[in-house]
Amino acid sequence: GDSVTQMEGPVTLSEEAFLTINCTYTATGYPSLFWYVQYPGEGLQLLLKATKADDKGSNKGFEATYRKETTSFHLEKGSVQVSDSAVYFCALRANQGGKLIFGQGTELSVKP
Amino acid sequence: DGGITQSPKYLFRKEGQNVTLSCEQNLNHDAMYWYRQDPGQGLRLIYYSQIVNDFQKGDIAEGYSVSREKKESFPLTVTSAQKNPTAFYLCASSASGSTDTQYFGPGTRLTVL
Repeated sequence: GDSVTQMEGPVTLSEEAFLTINCTYTATGYPSLFWYVQYPGEGLQLLLKATKADDKGSNKGFEATYRKETTSFHLEKGSVQVSDSAVYFCALRANQGGKLIFGQGTELSVKP
Repeated sequence: DGGITQSPKYLFRKEGQNVTLSCEQNLNHDAMYWYRQDPGQGLRLIYYSQIVNDFQKGDIAEGYSVSREKKESFPLTVTSAQKNPTAFYLCASSASGSTDTQYFGPGTRLTVL
C-alpha cells in the first residue's frame, strides 16, 4: 500500500543553518504531496504542497520539489530560525480519494 | 474568522466511560476527518465524511463512532470498546473529499485515568 518515510529526528541545528528533512514515498499513480508543521500542543498547519511531478511548493522560506524519478519530496530551508522549532510531517494524498497518509514526523530543534 | 474548532482542549475519562469530542467548522467544507496521533508517530485516520449523513471507516475505526447530521459538525465518540484511547485527536476538513487540501483543528488531548 501507499506509504511515506521521513528521516528520523530529532534534528538539532543552530540558527541560520541550512535545513533538509528527507521524505520519500511509495504510491501508485500520481499522488499529491504535502508538508505540514505542528508546533507544541497544537494542530497541524499546512506548510506547502505540490500536486504534480517537478512542481515546487514554497512558503515562509521553506521549499520542496516533487521528484517522481526518485519518489521524493525533501523539505529545505536556507536559514532556519528558533521559531522554526516544531515537528514536520510529510504526507501524500493518493489519486483516488481524500485520505492523507502521513510519515512519522521529524522533530526540529533550532538553538540560538 | 473562518476555521475549525475542537473542544475541549484537554479531556479526562475514566475507564469504561464513553466520551464525545467536538469538531465544528465554519469554512463551508463538505468533507471532514478524524485522525489519531500517538507520540512519535504520524497521524492515523479514524473516520471520514465526504457529505452530510454519510461517513466511512478509516484505518483504525474500531472502538470509535461518528455522526454527520450537520455540514459544520462531525463529533467523534470514543467508546469503552477502544482499548487504548489515550492520544491526541485531530479533526480536519476540506472543501471536497478527493482533491482539496485538508485543514486541521487545534486538537483534543484525551487521557484515560
